[in-house]
Parts: sequence; structure tokens; C-alpha cells
Amino acid sequence: NAGVTQTPKFQVLKTGQSMTLQCAQDMNHNSMYWYRQDPGMGLRLIYYSASEGTTDKGEVPNGYNVSRLNKREFSLRLESAAPSQTSVYFCASSDWGGPGVTGELFFGEGSRLTVL
Amino acid sequence: DQQVKQNSPSLSVQEGRISILNCDYTNSMFDYFLWYKKYPAEGPTFLISISSIKDKNEDGRFTVFLNKSAKHLSLHIVPSQPGDSAVYFCAASGHGTASKLTFGTGTRLQVTL
Repeated sequence: NAGVTQTPKFQVLKTGQSMTLQCAQDMNHNSMYWYRQDPGMGLRLIYYSASEGTTDKGEVPNGYNVSRLNKREFSLRLESAAPSQTSVYFCASSDWGGPGVTGELFFGEGSRLTVL
Repeated sequence: DQQVKQNSPSLSVQEGRISILNCDYTNSMFDYFLWYKKYPAEGPTFLISISSIKDKNEDGRFTVFLNKSAKHLSLHIVPSQPGDSAVYFCAASGHGTASKLTFGTGTRLQVTL
């Protein structure tokens, strides 16, 4: 009963390096999301994908790119990491748009990224 | 501009008493509200929700109240238990926004023995 799985769980990068955070869900959800959590800021939406084949910017998209690889997978890429991107990243999915929609998000366990 | 606000960063309550967590919002387009609970090193988990057509929703020890005119919602936990110690996030979304939740900054609840 995996739900939403994120990898890696921890990563340390140097400024300017690139990396991709991977996310997969096994609940057959239409929509997937990437949030970041910072102290005193709550969770802020970076990008989301309402359905397979679509992606849209959220509240804080600068410095990130995403790919909705298929219905299950949604990756987040940092092309040139900056110290301001040090954060905990959460992937989530929901059944928005499907039958019996509740709208709640199901979150992964998070990926802690440090950029030096 | 913070559209969802949780003005109390922390709250301490004795076991068995009522915990009341508050949340205010500014966007009148929000019509669905949720509470999430988060333990350290884990992802947030859904707790309870309420649609704008209701003013109360209850699930066991958890009740959410919505006051649309005041743009205010609250989460009541009765009775509070030590396992309820966590960070609680209020979240809101508008109709047709692909479950794009806007989160508050969270309130850390500590339930003491």
C-alpha cells in the first residue's frame, strides 16, 4: 500500500548543480502536485498537473521544471540549484476530476534538499 | 499576500481538554476547506474537510466549523490526546482549481499529560 513515493529522501547539492526529484503514485489519481515547505511559510505550490499531459505553474515556480511522465509519475527538476531552494519538497496526488471527487491531497513523505 | 492565515504558531493543551485551532482566509472564491496533520519527517495527512455549503462537519473527536461571513474556520479536538501532538495545517481551494490547495503556515499543537 505505497500511496505516493518520493525519491530521494535526502540530497545535498552545491550551488549550480542540477537534480531531479522523482514521484510516483499508485492510486490511479488524475492530478499530481509539487509543494515546498519552509519554516514559517507553510506549504507552497510549485507546479501541478491536473491530468496526464498537462502541467501548470503554482505559486513559486521560478527555478523549477516539471514533467508528467505518465499518469503515475511526476518529476521536479532543479536545473541550477540555489541556496534559496533549500527546503523540504512534497509530492502529492488527488482524484480531482474523477468520480466521487473529494479533492483531498495524498502526500509523500518528503524530500529534504540542502543547497550549499 | 497570505490568503490563508493561522495566526497562532503554537498551542499547548492538557490531555483530555479541548484543543481549538483557528484559521482565517481572505479569498472569497475559496469554497472547500481542509485540515491536515503533520508529524515530523512525515508528509501531511488529511484530517477533515468542509464544503462552503455547510457550517459544521464532525468526524469522531474532530469537528470543523466554518463561518463564511467572517471568513474563519476552526478545528476542535475533543478530548485531546498526546498522539494529537503535531503541526496542523489549514488549507483552502476554489471551485474548479484542480485541488490547488492554498495552505496556512501551520499551528504546532502540543498535548501535555
